[in-house]
Amino acid sequence: ILNVEQSPQSLHVQEGDSTNFTCSFPSSNFYALHWYRWETAKSPEALFVMTLNGDEKKKGRISATLNTKEGYSYLYIKGSQPEDSATYLCAFNDAGKSTFGDGTTLTVKP
Amino acid sequence: EPEVTQTPSHQVTQMGQEVILRCVPISNHLYFYWYRQILGQKVEFLVSFYNNEISEKSEIFDDQFSVERPDGSNFTLKIRSTKLEDSAMYFCASANRGRSEKLFFGSGTQLSVL
Repeated sequence: ILNVEQSPQSLHVQEGDSTNFTCSFPSSNFYALHWYRWETAKSPEALFVMTLNGDEKKKGRISATLNTKEGYSYLYIKGSQPEDSATYLCAFNDAGKSTFGDGTTLTVKP
Repeated sequence: EPEVTQTPSHQVTQMGQEVILRCVPISNHLYFYWYRQILGQKVEFLVSFYNNEISEKSEIFDDQFSVERPDGSNFTLKIRSTKLEDSAMYFCASANRGRSEKLFFGSGTQLSVL
């Protein structure tokens, strides 16, 4: 059973704060690491797919880094807005299937 | 923007009954997946499907589960004899290519087995 861990489990920040959270995953048999954003009553939306050690990806105020050797990825949100409130899921991909973490639930207060 | 659609959004069934969950993936996608999330638990992989056959399945995907792509557009998940523990949100997803491509998820079917 693959262990994909996300921390913290939940996070409450004020509007304008920058924040980050972690996904840790097995460092062997790595193929890809996905980040998804999941708002209540909607389907998960892909943010990033990261495949190379040292990858850094950015989409607006959200960015992610990847370290496959030590088995972790960070997701950063700069200047959080209330609309960033969601659960952020990471998924580790090895042999064609994705193993998801529990997610980090972010609440941004106005 | 193209999207993955799932029907029905909610399905209530009696234990032991068969259910079919339907998905219409994005039209040019080639890889199809079913995931589920039991309330309060992680999203779990069930099965992946490519080139009209199962390419990978989890230990959850036992003989009571089957998938089909009957007409080139629909992708269905059948649960032959539902159990109480099958109650979950079932998500379909599709991807254009394989493992390094992002998945596009449907909005899910909430299955309740009574």
